[in-house]
Amino acid sequence: GAGVSQSPSNKVTEKGKDVELRCDPISGHTALYWYRQSLGQGLEFLIYFQGNSAPDKSGLPSDRFSAERTGGSVSTLTIQRTQQEDSAVYLCASSPRKNTIYFGEGSWLTVV
Amino acid sequence: QKEVEQNSGPLSVPEGAIASLNCTYSDRGSQSFFWYRQYSGKSPELIMSIYSNGDKEDGRFTAQLNKASQYVSLLIRDSQPSDSATYLCAVNGNDYKLSFGAGTTVTVRA
Repeated sequence: GAGVSQSPSNKVTEKGKDVELRCDPISGHTALYWYRQSLGQGLEFLIYFQGNSAPDKSGLPSDRFSAERTGGSVSTLTIQRTQQEDSAVYLCASSPRKNTIYFGEGSWLTVV
Repeated sequence: QKEVEQNSGPLSVPEGAIASLNCTYSDRGSQSFFWYRQYSGKSPELIMSIYSNGDKEDGRFTAQLNKASQYVSLLIRDSQPSDSATYLCAVNGNDYKLSFGAGTTVTVRA
């Protein structure tokens, strides 16, 4: 597809379970970002990947959160031992350069 | 102090009027400024970018930047009901992390 693709689009999980969210960026985009948006709130930066450089993980809220990017393309955000406060939409974005980023449709996570 | 601040609104304007949205930022070294539009339940979409002081027009949208005052605004002329959305201001400094404001919700009354 032409845009950033995320899956699943919706996920309901029980508290304490692990979840994996996937992002397939726009072809040719070297930069990939994960943001989180809680209901009615702004976007919270989580992590940034650029090419083969070490990722910037400074936005990850706790050690329960991790992300990887394989082959400079697809990325997976993993949340271990989910908590109710993890409920949010997780947005992936990619960019061909530093500034302009394009978002996927998001993965809506609900922890019950 | 938040890095990027916006009035949360809601901002209600009649159809055909001008909607004016404001954004201030704290990092004086910021270089790039963006406005994103987000419809309810959807992801943000880029509508304007501006990099130098002054005005930039694109259709019914005008972005205004004043780096000395650390202020960026968005004007929506001839507002339409389809403009009803949340508008997010985003600022990028010398690094690559876009910092977003909490957004201003705009409602255009038919």
